[in-house]
Amino acid sequence: DAGITQSPRHKVTETGTPVTLRCHQTENHRYMYWYRQDPGHGLRLIHYSYGVKDTDKGEVSDGYSVSRSKTEDFLLTLESATSSQTSVYFCAISESGGLGQYFGPGTRLTVL
Amino acid sequence: AQSVTQLGSHVSVSEGALVLLRCNYSSSVPPYLFWYVQYPNQGLQLLLKYTSAATLVKGINGFEAEFKKSETSFHLTKPSAHMSDAAEYFCAVTKGYAGGTSYGKLTFGQGTILTVHP
Repeated sequence: DAGITQSPRHKVTETGTPVTLRCHQTENHRYMYWYRQDPGHGLRLIHYSYGVKDTDKGEVSDGYSVSRSKTEDFLLTLESATSSQTSVYFCAISESGGLGQYFGPGTRLTVL
Repeated sequence: AQSVTQLGSHVSVSEGALVLLRCNYSSSVPPYLFWYVQYPNQGLQLLLKYTSAATLVKGINGFEAEFKKSETSFHLTKPSAHMSDAAEYFCAVTKGYAGGTSYGKLTFGQGTILTVHP
Protein backbone atom coordinates (compact mmCIF):
# COMPACT_ATOMS: atom_id res chain seq x y z
CA ASP A 1 0.00 0.00 0.00
CA ALA A 2 1.12 3.54 -0.73
CA GLY A 3 2.34 5.35 2.37
CA ILE A 4 -0.46 7.82 2.94
CA THR A 5 -1.84 8.80 6.31
CA GLN A 6 -4.57 11.22 7.21
CA SER A 7 -5.16 12.91 10.53
CA PRO A 8 -7.39 13.07 12.36
CA ARG A 9 -9.41 10.05 11.26
CA HIS A 10 -12.57 11.33 12.93
CA LYS A 11 -13.52 14.80 14.04
CA VAL A 12 -16.63 16.46 15.39
CA THR A 13 -16.70 20.23 15.44
CA GLU A 14 -19.13 23.10 15.69
CA THR A 15 -20.36 25.45 13.01
CA GLY A 16 -18.11 28.46 12.56
CA THR A 17 -14.90 26.93 13.86
CA PRO A 18 -11.81 26.47 11.68
CA VAL A 19 -10.68 22.92 10.98
CA THR A 20 -7.45 21.63 9.46
CA LEU A 21 -7.03 18.14 8.04
CA ARG A 22 -3.60 16.75 7.34
CA CYS A 23 -2.42 14.40 4.63
CA HIS A 24 1.07 12.95 4.95
CA GLN A 25 2.86 10.78 2.35
CA THR A 26 6.11 8.89 2.44
CA GLU A 27 6.24 8.17 -1.33
CA ASN A 28 7.76 11.48 -2.46
CA HIS A 29 5.01 11.82 -5.07
CA ARG A 30 4.62 15.17 -6.79
CA TYR A 31 0.84 15.35 -7.04
CA MET A 32 -1.56 15.45 -4.12
CA TYR A 33 -5.35 15.85 -4.05
CA TRP A 34 -8.18 16.43 -1.62
CA TYR A 35 -11.64 14.99 -2.31
CA ARG A 36 -14.88 14.86 -0.44
CA GLN A 37 -17.24 11.90 -0.67
CA ASP A 38 -20.97 12.30 -0.19
CA PRO A 39 -23.77 9.80 -0.89
CA GLY A 40 -25.05 10.17 -4.43
CA HIS A 41 -22.17 12.41 -5.50
CA GLY A 42 -19.23 10.02 -5.70
CA LEU A 43 -15.95 11.80 -5.06
CA ARG A 44 -15.51 15.46 -5.89
CA LEU A 45 -12.19 17.25 -6.13
CA ILE A 46 -11.70 20.13 -3.68
CA HIS A 47 -8.11 21.23 -4.33
CA TYR A 48 -4.98 19.71 -5.74
CA SER A 49 -1.24 20.34 -5.71
CA TYR A 50 1.32 19.75 -8.44
CA GLY A 51 4.36 20.68 -6.35
CA VAL A 52 5.49 22.45 -3.22
CA LYS A 53 3.60 25.74 -2.97
CA ASP A 54 1.79 24.95 -6.26
CA THR A 55 -1.93 24.43 -5.70
CA ASP A 56 -5.14 25.00 -7.60
CA LYS A 57 -8.89 24.72 -7.13
CA GLY A 58 -11.07 21.76 -7.95
CA GLU A 59 -14.79 21.68 -8.61
CA VAL A 60 -15.97 22.25 -5.01
CA SER A 61 -13.37 24.60 -3.53
CA ASP A 62 -15.62 27.24 -1.92
CA GLY A 63 -15.03 27.40 1.84
CA TYR A 64 -11.77 25.44 1.65
CA SER A 65 -8.11 26.40 1.41
CA VAL A 66 -4.97 24.32 1.14
CA SER A 67 -1.27 24.60 1.73
CA ARG A 68 1.74 22.54 0.78
CA SER A 69 5.01 23.73 2.27
CA LYS A 70 6.73 20.33 2.03
CA THR A 71 6.49 17.53 -0.52
CA GLU A 72 5.13 15.14 2.06
CA ASP A 73 2.36 17.25 3.62
CA PHE A 74 -0.84 18.66 2.14
CA LEU A 75 -3.17 20.50 4.50
CA LEU A 76 -6.86 21.18 3.95
CA THR A 77 -8.44 23.99 5.98
CA LEU A 78 -12.11 24.71 6.42
CA GLU A 79 -11.98 28.38 7.24
CA SER A 80 -15.34 28.47 9.04
CA ALA A 81 -16.97 25.06 9.12
CA THR A 82 -20.61 24.70 8.06
CA SER A 83 -22.97 21.73 8.33
CA SER A 84 -22.79 21.29 4.54
CA GLN A 85 -19.13 20.39 4.96
CA THR A 86 -20.02 17.29 6.97
CA SER A 87 -18.47 14.60 4.79
CA VAL A 88 -15.73 12.04 4.42
CA TYR A 89 -12.51 13.61 3.14
CA PHE A 90 -9.95 11.65 1.18
CA CYS A 91 -6.43 12.57 0.28
CA ALA A 92 -4.78 11.00 -2.77
CA ILE A 93 -1.30 11.04 -4.26
CA SER A 94 0.09 10.40 -7.72
CA GLU A 95 3.61 10.11 -9.02
CA SER A 96 2.98 10.98 -12.64
CA GLY A 97 -0.33 12.77 -12.60
CA GLY A 98 -1.94 10.70 -15.29
CA LEU A 99 -1.43 7.11 -14.29
CA GLY A 100 -3.72 6.74 -11.32
CA GLN A 101 -4.00 7.98 -7.79
CA TYR A 102 -3.54 6.23 -4.48
CA PHE A 103 -5.88 7.09 -1.66
CA GLY A 104 -5.53 7.56 2.06
CA PRO A 105 -7.91 6.01 4.61
CA GLY A 106 -10.14 9.09 4.90
CA THR A 107 -11.25 11.51 7.60
CA ARG A 108 -14.85 11.55 8.74
CA LEU A 109 -15.81 15.11 9.65
CA THR A 110 -19.06 16.05 11.36
CA VAL A 111 -20.02 19.70 11.72
CA LEU A 112 -22.79 20.29 14.26
CA ALA B 1 -14.80 18.65 -20.16
CA GLN B 2 -15.03 15.05 -19.08
CA SER B 3 -17.77 13.09 -17.41
CA VAL B 4 -18.51 9.54 -16.33
CA THR B 5 -21.83 7.75 -16.06
CA GLN B 6 -22.16 4.51 -14.18
CA LEU B 7 -25.35 2.70 -15.11
CA GLY B 8 -27.00 1.23 -12.06
CA SER B 9 -26.32 2.48 -8.56
CA HIS B 10 -26.88 -1.04 -7.21
CA VAL B 11 -26.06 -4.38 -8.81
CA SER B 12 -26.86 -7.70 -7.18
CA VAL B 13 -25.44 -11.06 -8.29
CA SER B 14 -25.23 -14.58 -6.94
CA GLU B 15 -21.91 -16.04 -5.89
CA GLY B 16 -20.29 -17.63 -8.94
CA ALA B 17 -22.23 -15.49 -11.42
CA LEU B 18 -20.81 -13.01 -13.92
CA VAL B 19 -20.20 -9.51 -12.62
CA LEU B 20 -20.80 -6.66 -15.09
CA LEU B 21 -20.54 -3.05 -13.95
CA ARG B 22 -21.16 -0.46 -16.64
CA CYS B 23 -19.27 2.75 -17.22
CA ASN B 24 -19.64 5.22 -20.07
CA TYR B 25 -17.49 8.27 -20.43
CA SER B 26 -17.47 11.53 -22.27
CA SER B 27 -14.21 13.20 -23.19
CA SER B 28 -13.15 15.68 -25.85
CA VAL B 29 -9.61 14.24 -25.84
CA PRO B 30 -8.22 10.71 -25.60
CA PRO B 31 -8.90 9.58 -22.05
CA TYR B 32 -7.23 7.52 -19.43
CA LEU B 33 -9.77 5.43 -17.53
CA PHE B 34 -9.74 3.79 -14.12
CA TRP B 35 -11.77 1.52 -11.89
CA TYR B 36 -11.51 1.81 -8.14
CA VAL B 37 -13.04 -0.33 -5.39
CA GLN B 38 -14.04 0.86 -1.94
CA TYR B 39 -14.74 -1.52 0.91
CA PRO B 40 -16.80 -0.26 3.86
CA ASN B 41 -15.04 2.40 5.93
CA GLN B 42 -11.93 2.28 3.79
CA GLY B 43 -10.26 4.39 1.14
CA LEU B 44 -10.34 3.68 -2.58
CA GLN B 45 -8.12 1.00 -4.08
CA LEU B 46 -7.05 1.06 -7.71
CA LEU B 47 -8.40 -2.03 -9.51
CA LEU B 48 -7.15 -1.38 -13.02
CA LYS B 49 -6.37 1.36 -15.52
CA TYR B 50 -6.45 2.01 -19.24
CA THR B 51 -3.71 4.33 -20.50
CA SER B 52 -3.90 3.86 -24.29
CA ALA B 53 -2.00 0.58 -24.53
CA ALA B 54 -3.99 -2.67 -24.76
CA THR B 55 -7.75 -2.12 -24.88
CA LEU B 56 -8.42 -5.16 -22.66
CA VAL B 57 -7.02 -4.42 -19.24
CA LYS B 58 -6.59 -6.95 -16.46
CA GLY B 59 -6.60 -5.87 -12.85
CA ILE B 60 -6.42 -7.30 -9.39
CA ASN B 61 -8.81 -9.87 -7.91
CA GLY B 62 -9.72 -11.32 -11.32
CA PHE B 63 -11.36 -8.17 -12.69
CA GLU B 64 -10.89 -6.89 -16.20
CA ALA B 65 -12.25 -4.07 -18.34
CA GLU B 66 -12.36 -3.37 -22.05
CA PHE B 67 -11.96 0.09 -23.56
CA LYS B 68 -14.35 0.52 -26.50
CA LYS B 69 -13.86 3.87 -28.16
CA SER B 70 -16.79 3.45 -30.55
CA GLU B 71 -19.14 2.90 -27.62
CA THR B 72 -17.34 5.30 -25.23
CA SER B 73 -17.47 2.53 -22.67
CA PHE B 74 -15.17 0.93 -20.11
CA HIS B 75 -17.24 -1.80 -18.47
CA LEU B 76 -15.84 -3.85 -15.59
CA THR B 77 -16.29 -7.62 -15.58
CA LYS B 78 -15.41 -10.66 -13.52
CA PRO B 79 -16.38 -14.17 -14.67
CA SER B 80 -17.30 -15.52 -11.24
CA ALA B 81 -18.36 -13.38 -8.29
CA HIS B 82 -17.06 -14.06 -4.82
CA MET B 83 -18.56 -12.90 -1.55
CA SER B 84 -15.46 -10.79 -0.94
CA ASP B 85 -16.24 -8.73 -4.08
CA ALA B 86 -19.10 -6.99 -2.29
CA ALA B 87 -18.11 -3.33 -2.25
CA GLU B 88 -18.68 -0.02 -4.03
CA TYR B 89 -17.02 0.45 -7.39
CA PHE B 90 -16.10 3.74 -9.02
CA CYS B 91 -15.20 4.48 -12.62
CA ALA B 92 -13.04 7.57 -13.23
CA VAL B 93 -11.59 9.45 -16.20
CA THR B 94 -8.76 11.87 -16.77
CA LYS B 95 -7.12 13.37 -19.83
CA GLY B 96 -4.55 11.21 -21.46
CA TYR B 97 -1.21 12.82 -22.19
CA ALA B 98 -2.27 13.44 -25.76
CA GLY B 99 -4.94 15.68 -24.33
CA GLY B 100 -2.50 18.00 -22.64
CA THR B 101 -1.79 18.71 -19.01
CA SER B 102 -4.54 17.81 -16.61
CA TYR B 103 -2.42 17.26 -13.49
CA GLY B 104 -4.09 13.88 -13.28
CA LYS B 105 -7.36 15.31 -12.03
CA LEU B 106 -9.95 12.56 -11.93
CA THR B 107 -13.65 12.86 -12.63
CA PHE B 108 -15.56 10.10 -10.87
CA GLY B 109 -18.84 8.41 -11.59
CA GLN B 110 -21.49 8.15 -8.89
CA GLY B 111 -20.48 4.65 -7.87
CA THR B 112 -22.11 1.21 -8.09
CA ILE B 113 -22.70 -0.88 -4.99
CA LEU B 114 -22.17 -4.57 -5.74
CA THR B 115 -24.00 -7.07 -3.54
CA VAL B 116 -23.12 -10.76 -3.78
CA HIS B 117 -25.67 -13.31 -2.56
CA PRO B 118 -24.67 -16.80 -1.40
